[in-house]
Amino acid sequence: EVQLVESGGGLVQPGGSLRLSCAASGFTVSSNYMSWVRQAPGKGLEWVSVIYSGGSTYYADSVKGRFTISRDNSKNTLYLQMNSLRAEDTAVYYCARVATNDAFDIWGQGTMVTVSS
Amino acid sequence: DIQMTQSPSSLSASVGDRVTITCRASQSISSYLNWYQQKPGKAPKLLIYAASSLQSGVPSRFSGSGSGTDFTLTISSLQPEDFATYYCQQSYSTLQSTFGGGTKVEIK
Repeated sequence: EVQLVESGGGLVQPGGSLRLSCAASGFTVSSNYMSWVRQAPGKGLEWVSVIYSGGSTYYADSVKGRFTISRDNSKNTLYLQMNSLRAEDTAVYYCARVATNDAFDIWGQGTMVTVSS
Repeated sequence: DIQMTQSPSSLSASVGDRVTITCRASQSISSYLNWYQQKPGKAPKLLIYAASSLQSGVPSRFSGSGSGTDFTLTISSLQPEDFATYYCQQSYSTLQSTFGGGTKVEIK
């Protein structure tokens, strides 16, 4: 079965760090573009980052310089390292596969990140 | 960045109604437009890709149209399970993808 399972969310203080994981099954992470998308409580979807199959990475302006997307091919897992966290980073974070038609066809269940003192 | 504007932000409709949601891009995105459905507490689900192609397994009452800057998602006969929030997304620029603000479809 093709699926994505996120983990690593939790409560962190402002200025702190957290690493999210997204374990894939049924397909190979490194052969696909993969993205992170977040959703603040009661708000809409916000694209966060993408990693291309070739390894290039891109970020939304709101997280550039603070977040890093990466993958571990041996574990077939996608990551999002989040540093210098702010209250406005509080959200459910989803990982998603980018299909060849550039749509996000497979989504994880999401993991909640709360930034608060 | 390409801005995506959806309208309306919410609507009330009855089972069996025809529902239309509009999405406008701040610049031409050709047909690089996708539609998603999200129910409370759940991850988004892809409905339509490339403006008008139906994702596998999605009921045929969902359809999409448009190109350039103006796009439409239509539900031909609203079903109880269709009450949800719908988002458009441009994939013209995958290195800076953007979503619309969402349209919440509620029961009248």
